[in-house]
Amino acid sequence: KNEVEQSPQNLTAQEGEFITINCSYSVGISALHWLQQHPGGGIVSLFMLSSGKKKHGRLIATINIQEKHSSLHITASHPRDSAVYICAVRRSSGGGADGLTFGKGTHLIIQP
Amino acid sequence: KAGVTQTPRYLIKTRGQQVTLSCSPISGHRSVSWYQQTPGQGLQFLFEYFSETQRNKGNFPGRFSGRQFSNSRSEMNVSTLELGDSALYLCASSSRGLGEKLFFGSGTQLSVL
Repeated sequence: KNEVEQSPQNLTAQEGEFITINCSYSVGISALHWLQQHPGGGIVSLFMLSSGKKKHGRLIATINIQEKHSSLHITASHPRDSAVYICAVRRSSGGGADGLTFGKGTHLIIQP
Repeated sequence: KAGVTQTPRYLIKTRGQQVTLSCSPISGHRSVSWYQQTPGQGLQFLFEYFSETQRNKGNFPGRFSGRQFSNSRSEMNVSTLELGDSALYLCASSSRGLGEKLFFGSGTQLSVL
């Protein structure tokens, strides 16, 4: 079982819909990242969370440390939101924080 | 402010050769981390350097190595290339490390023939 699980793997929605992408992890973490990757494009960091909730424009990210779960929400979705969304966690261990562990990504397509 | 710069953009090598990839971080950033992305395995963490010291290392064989210079520029080296090393190699920089926002380069696409 992967340490970081994302759902859904694929999501197709209509423009304007409210989108939710989920990320569950099984290890202790010190930080969680949400990343966006467009086809053929580079990776952009959307959020870095260690607790609570963050909002940027139409994007909202939440994390529940006790439940080991994070969600990324997109309000009023637009075709330009079509991309792969990747969750990554920074594990915390006894000797200090480890590197990043990634989910497999959620392929989002927003149709006009 | 210039972004993270990776060179070269594309690289073709043959099995058994070695390769060196370069990453110049955003000015002022002291942490550089490296990642491998393949269609089958997705993104995997290779290593992180901070102030010329390797701080974290992923589960990759010793053929994968890296270093960071005093100006924070970083290189990664892969020796004795295998077909399975074909991938997009990405680097990211941040001020202090993996616990804050990361800025990614465009990557180096390595093809091993």
